[in-house]
Amino acid sequence: DTGVSQDPRHKITKRGQNVTFRCDPISEHNRLYWYRQTLGQGPEFLTYFQNEAQLEKSRLLSDRFSAERPKGSFSTLEIQRTEQGDSAMYLCASSPQAGTVGGTQYFGPGTRLLVL
Amino acid sequence: AQSVTQPDIHITVSEGASLELRCNYSYGATPYLFWYVQSPGQGLQLLLKYFSGDTLVQGIKGFEAEFKRSQSSFNLRKPSVHWSDAAEYFCAVAPMNSGNTPLVFGKGTRLSVIA
Repeated sequence: DTGVSQDPRHKITKRGQNVTFRCDPISEHNRLYWYRQTLGQGPEFLTYFQNEAQLEKSRLLSDRFSAERPKGSFSTLEIQRTEQGDSAMYLCASSPQAGTVGGTQYFGPGTRLLVL
Repeated sequence: AQSVTQPDIHITVSEGASLELRCNYSYGATPYLFWYVQSPGQGLQLLLKYFSGDTLVQGIKGFEAEFKRSQSSFNLRKPSVHWSDAAEYFCAVAPMNSGNTPLVFGKGTRLSVIA
């Protein structure tokens, strides 16, 4: 069990550029979640997948954000035309099969984005 | 809508002293409850969780938490704090019977430990 991994760990970009983050969940975890954490706040839910299906998107996820999990394994989160307000830590988590009583989410180390 | 309140933004304790971090939730039924810890620049590590049964839950690193339904609280405790416990602590909830759904987090409590 190698845990949840995220790449890159840090990203600095200029306003208006597009960025893409990758998350590799724990093997055989069916559910994958994306959260965003700004300074001094707790993580806020963005979206989540069960296998390759995107089940829910938060209102925080504007049209500039898109997430995919094409083969039900790794996931990508893309932000188009970045804005300074997008600067945050983007956290990925995974959990076991849906319906498992007491499913627990395991978090990756996060990708810290700074938009200049 | 569910919400989580962590009333203390920052707490400072002396090494070896006891610790209690407060967490209150707002939800129509008993949710699943979690405490996570986050070291600077890192992701979140699960300390403990409550789903049902015994209201006193033991976790890793010597932490425990007690669920009190009447107070809608799930406070985190440790009898003797170590310097390595300095970190940010987050309480989170998920709807009952849906531990796999998105978590709702509190804003966190930052713990400082002094010698």
